Amino acid sequence: DQQVKQNSPSLSVQEGRISILNCDYTNSMFDYFLWYKKYPAEGPTFLISISSIKDKNEDGRFTVFLNKSAKHLSLHIVPSQPGDSAVYFCAASEGSNYKLTFGKGTLLTVNP
Amino acid sequence: DAGVTQSPTHLIKTRGQQVTLRCSPKSGHDTVSWYQQALGQGPQFIFQYYEEEERQRGNFPDRFSGHQYPNYSSELNVNALLLGDSALYLCASSLLSLGTDYGYTFGSGTRLTVV
Repeated sequence: DQQVKQNSPSLSVQEGRISILNCDYTNSMFDYFLWYKKYPAEGPTFLISISSIKDKNEDGRFTVFLNKSAKHLSLHIVPSQPGDSAVYFCAASEGSNYKLTFGKGTLLTVNP
Repeated sequence: DAGVTQSPTHLIKTRGQQVTLRCSPKSGHDTVSWYQQALGQGPQFIFQYYEEEERQRGNFPDRFSGHQYPNYSSELNVNALLLGDSALYLCASSLLSLGTDYGYTFGSGTRLTVV
């Protein structure tokens, strides 16, 4: 039973355009959501988080949107750069410092 | 500032053997979590240690056990290895008082192959 789903295994965008990565969840008890980026042979790197009391959080080129009624979140990267090419994981937890439940990831390729 | 350090980076073991993986958390962090990542999957939570005690545990059998030392470093032990235990094992550290908003810092992982 997958509680966090990333339905797009891959996404390809042109440099300078917007990348939108999507994530759906089924557990209504999740109240923290995080995005991680992973390069080959490296561990996941924390990008940005959002708690359920917010619907948007920005950090530089990265913005995460949360739609609690739809149990959906998305990560927007603007503008996309070739160095953004990596696997992006969506993760969620029930409460602060609780275990993270990850999606399967989306491979983003940004073409020059 | 050293991040999370894991050792070894790669390991090959035979079915039925036992293995110990090691993790040194990021400086200043007091909490260590372990995750298993199979090929093509997202990381799956194994357990979390804080103040040398197992604080949370995921759906893994008792063959998976751990330990945290007073210096916050941690070990993951797996007994009676199965072929299905082949995976990337990730260690993540955090400072409990900061909460989830600041994310967890992951190491590069240990690639375990069971033959």
